[in-house]
Amino acid sequence: AQSVTQPDIHITVSEGASLELRCNYSYGATPYLFWYVQSPGQGLQLLLKYFSGDTLVQGIKGFEAEFKRSQSSFNLRKPSVHWSDAAEYFCAVGADSGGGADGLTFGKGTHLIIQP
Amino acid sequence: SQTIHQWPATLVQPVGSPLSLECTVEGTSNPNLYWYRQAAGRGLQLLFYSVGIGQISSEVPQNLSASRPQDRQFILSSKKLLLSDSGFYLCAWSLLQPGTLGATDTQYFGPGTRLTVL
Repeated sequence: AQSVTQPDIHITVSEGASLELRCNYSYGATPYLFWYVQSPGQGLQLLLKYFSGDTLVQGIKGFEAEFKRSQSSFNLRKPSVHWSDAAEYFCAVGADSGGGADGLTFGKGTHLIIQP
Repeated sequence: SQTIHQWPATLVQPVGSPLSLECTVEGTSNPNLYWYRQAAGRGLQLLFYSVGIGQISSEVPQNLSASRPQDRQFILSSKKLLLSDSGFYLCAWSLLQPGTLGATDTQYFGPGTRLTVL
């Protein structure tokens, strides 16, 4: 079974500074990888996804993520954070279910705090 | 465009009472539908998913059940709530792309229902 680890429960970054949120996955085959963002009391919004092809994927709101198979990682980055980026960030992995529609496996999330 | 709705937005229920949460999707046909639960300080846990009307798969044994009476409607129910059922319940939909048999498609989430069991 697949699993996702987000090692950082909380991260504090100054506004305007760069950001990297870590995500490591465990899965035997090629994974399908996602990053979602959740504002307090809200649902999840998809930031970006990786299915195949170019290992550097661009998402919304200026985010990008890089798939590194050798490190089993899919870290999320942003060159300059804004106060509105404060939220909970979830990494998720989906399995190739052979025609089914299995749900995603999520990490426990990283809470991003932005300092003025 | 597709939209997903959940109601109610918040709910406070006593232990032992029944539960019914509703999720509907607009703007698409034959979506895959999912129920997740997000407990405080924890990630999301998949509860149920459905690939069609009347087809429900359960991921975690518990006192919750799900039903799909219509193509774009997904209902989460319980006959008797437990304290441990408190959490944030999220519904999601996806649409496997034609020609991508076996691929996991992107899931899109609703706004969620905050359930507090007292």
